[in-house]
Amino acid sequence: GNSVTQMEGPVTLSEEAFLTINCTYTATGYPSLFWYVQYPGEGLQLLLKATKADDKGSNKGFEATYRKETTSFHLEKGSVQVSDSAVYFCALKNSGNTPLVFGKGTRLSVIA
Amino acid sequence: ETGVTQSPTHLIKTRGQQVTLRCSSQSGHNTVSWYQQALGQGPQFIFQYYREEENGRGNFPPRFSGLQFPNYSSELNVNALELDDSALYLCASSSTWTGSTDTQYFGPGTRLTVL
Repeated sequence: GNSVTQMEGPVTLSEEAFLTINCTYTATGYPSLFWYVQYPGEGLQLLLKATKADDKGSNKGFEATYRKETTSFHLEKGSVQVSDSAVYFCALKNSGNTPLVFGKGTRLSVIA
Repeated sequence: ETGVTQSPTHLIKTRGQQVTLRCSSQSGHNTVSWYQQALGQGPQFIFQYYREEENGRGNFPPRFSGLQFPNYSSELNVNALELDDSALYLCASSSTWTGSTDTQYFGPGTRLTVL
C-alpha cells in the first residue's frame, strides 16, 4: 500500500539556517506529492505540491522536487525564520477520489 | 472565496456518548474528506463524501458515520465514544469540477476530548 516516511523530529535550527526535511514515499502509480504545515493549535495549510516527476513545488521560500528515481520529496528552505516554527507533514495522493496519505510529521523549532 | 470552516472548535464528551461534528466546504468544492489526527501523529483518513454518498473509507469502525448535504457541507458522527477517540478531527474539501481532486484544503479542526 501507499506510505510516507519523514525524518524524525524535532528539528531545532537557528534563525537564517538552512532547512532540509527528508521525505520518501512508497506508492502504486504516479501520485501527487504535498507538503502541509500545521502551526500550533491550527489545522493543516497546504504549503506546496508537485504532480509529476521532476516538478518543483515552491511557496514562501520553501521548495521540494518530485524525485521519482529516489521516491523522495525533500523540503528545503535557504533561510528559516522564527515564524516557520511548526509541524510539517509530507503527503501523497493518487488520482481520483482517493485519500491523502500522510507521514507522521516533523516538528521544526527556529530560535532567534 | 470562503475557506473550509468547522464547528465546534472544542468539545468534551464522556465515554459512551455520541458526538456530531460539522464542516462547511470551501466555496465551489463538492467533495469532503474527514481525517482523525491523534496527538503527535499524522492525520488518518476516515471517509470521503461526494454527491451525498460515502465514496471511500479508511480503517475506522461503523460507529464513525457521516452525511453530506446538497450544499456540500458535511457531518461526522461518532457513536459510543471511546477514550481513544480523543483527537483533532479535520475536514478537507476538494473539487471535481476541474477534473482533479488532488488538492485538498483543510479546516481548522475540532478538538474532541473524551473523558
